[in-house]
Amino acid sequence: NAGVMQNPRHLVRRRGQEARLRCSPMKGHSHVYWYRQLPEEGLKFMVYLQKENIIDESGMPKERFSAEFPKEGPSILRIQQVVRGDSAAYFCASSPPVGTGELFFGEGSRLTVL
Amino acid sequence: QQQVKQSPQSLIVQKGGISIINCAYENTAFDYFPWYQQFPGKGPALLIAIRPDVSEKKEGRFTISFNKSAKQFSLHIMDSQPGDSATYFCAASKSNTGKLIFGQGTTLQVKP
Repeated sequence: NAGVMQNPRHLVRRRGQEARLRCSPMKGHSHVYWYRQLPEEGLKFMVYLQKENIIDESGMPKERFSAEFPKEGPSILRIQQVVRGDSAAYFCASSPPVGTGELFFGEGSRLTVL
Repeated sequence: QQQVKQSPQSLIVQKGGISIINCAYENTAFDYFPWYQQFPGKGPALLIAIRPDVSEKKEGRFTISFNKSAKQFSLHIMDSQPGDSATYFCAASKSNTGKLIFGQGTTLQVKP
């Protein structure tokens, strides 16, 4: 399966711990996006990255959240000192270098904060 | 200005019927309007998309109607099947940015 791969699929953390979510884009895709879906809500844009660059982070909370897409390896969404309100499904999407606007989503990482 | 409003929130349709979901947007800079289908526990999957240079696009049983002057677009699912039961999201973006603004979603149930 050459789709967008996310792991872990499920993650449980206690308040104050750190959560790291990983995303490997589709083969040949160099653009990665992170979206958050709260229960019973639509997806909200968080950040858009290309290799080694953050292009648009206008949807990222100002504190505790960070994202990277290194030259080698998957993209990482990092949430420090998690709180209960961070419980959500986090989806990664990728697109090819020549933009058509079409995004291909992974199956998501579901974070539960106890 | 960045919102996309979707209705209804939920929809029940009999097998073989037509499912209609509507969306409205405010930002006239939007130029890409996709619809995504999401099953429980899965990621959204692109169903069909349209750009404002056409008023309608059809792919199989799925049709998007687009009204640029009213800033509205809708998804029609013809001959709805129980396997179509899912949550549907409309979205909008501008200039192939990949920064999609999603509607709130519509949960569709197709009864056999």
